[in-house]
Amino acid sequence: NAGVMQNPRHLVRRRGQEARLRCSPMKGHSHVYWYRQLPEEGLKFMVYLQKENIIDESGMPKERFSAEFPKEGPSILRIQQVVRGDSAAYFCASSPWVLDTIYFGEGSWLTVV
Amino acid sequence: GESVGLHLPTLSVQEGDNSIINCAYSNSASDYFIWYKQESGKGPQFIIDIRSNMDKRQGQRVTVLLNKTVKHLSLQIAATQPGDSAVYFCAETVKGAQKLVFGQGTRLTINP
Repeated sequence: NAGVMQNPRHLVRRRGQEARLRCSPMKGHSHVYWYRQLPEEGLKFMVYLQKENIIDESGMPKERFSAEFPKEGPSILRIQQVVRGDSAAYFCASSPWVLDTIYFGEGSWLTVV
Repeated sequence: GESVGLHLPTLSVQEGDNSIINCAYSNSASDYFIWYKQESGKGPQFIIDIRSNMDKRQGQRVTVLLNKTVKHLSLQIAATQPGDSAVYFCAETVKGAQKLVFGQGTRLTINP
């Protein structure tokens, strides 16, 4: 049973470009989460989605960031017009049920130059 | 509570010794707690969890203790091995929510 799959693992973008990070949850998991981690810090919650629905986006910056989890295909975290401060590791996680164990992917490292 | 600061607390132990990593959580409404291990360049790996109706739970070489009175969580690792070297995070979920709040993290180093 494959784990949570994220790609790309590493992404370099110039300021002003767009970054798209993809996440395929574990098989049978319908709950997806995105977290961001800065160096030497813990993960910070961004957004929680179920299929075709955003349930909680209280951790998402108000501008430039969006997330989706379509009926078919992976979840996408999209960052428009990236700035240097967006450089971080972005982790996706999934769980089978609400309040069940949450499993993380290996992360996508975004570097904005 | 929320992760703050640029420098992680560090714990160094000798290989074979037991280690205890501590975590203070902030929200008395939290009802589910998880310990994660994170190696450099990798995602957090689930170690063990505990719900608020328990005060102790044991796994393979690991034990989690929960003291709700003082809002304290600890992870005990028995007979540490070189592969235990990593950053360890505690995380809590607030009742009714479906998001984890991560603690600051502790870097565990195993000395040969």
